[in-house]
Amino acid sequence: GDSVTQMEGPVTLSEEAFLTINCTYTATGYPSLFWYVQYPGEGLQLLLKATKADDKGSNKGFEATYRKETTSFHLEKGSVQVSDSAVYFCALSDSHRVGNQFYFGTGTSLTVIP
Amino acid sequence: ETGVTQSPTHLIKTRGQQVTLRCSSQSGHNTVSWYQQALGQGPQFIFQYYREEENGRGNFPPRFSGLQFPNYSSELNVNALELDDSALYLCASSLWTGGRRDQPQHFGDGTRLSIL
Repeated sequence: GDSVTQMEGPVTLSEEAFLTINCTYTATGYPSLFWYVQYPGEGLQLLLKATKADDKGSNKGFEATYRKETTSFHLEKGSVQVSDSAVYFCALSDSHRVGNQFYFGTGTSLTVIP
Repeated sequence: ETGVTQSPTHLIKTRGQQVTLRCSSQSGHNTVSWYQQALGQGPQFIFQYYREEENGRGNFPPRFSGLQFPNYSSELNVNALELDDSALYLCASSLWTGGRRDQPQHFGDGTRLSIL
């Protein structure tokens, strides 16, 4: 079946540090991959997406590359800010499924300290 | 453009009761999905509606049911509430054009349901 595995948190970094959050997936079809961010008390906001192998999604300094050979979609940012503190979710939408239901990882909590 | 809105924001119920949560989809979207997010977990897919019919269902019992209306608003109904139903319930809408899986889902801020 379809599933997403994320690196466990919480992650604590100093401002301007480099961020990597690992994400691997299992899918029976040809999935699209997404990263969402959730701030306290809010719903999920789309951060970036990639729809086929070797695509790179990017937004607000965050990047992730769709690696089919390693079934991975790791999130990276070169220099984090305090405002990046949130919970990050990796998700997939698989092509063989009716509709576009999403499968989410368990989330990785990031805290950035000044 | 108006985003996804959900009501109420918080709700407290007791075991055995029934609850209805409401969602208004983002303008131009034709599918609505519901997710359950337990504390410290990722969202779990409950079901999706397209053209007012259920269009996919996750591993949830039949006491979880839903409706989609012609204006694409939606309801999630849960009967015979259990303590484990305590969670954040998220509604998400998207534009599904058939065969494509790259359309993101747009989420509301959720309804926090507590069962006593």
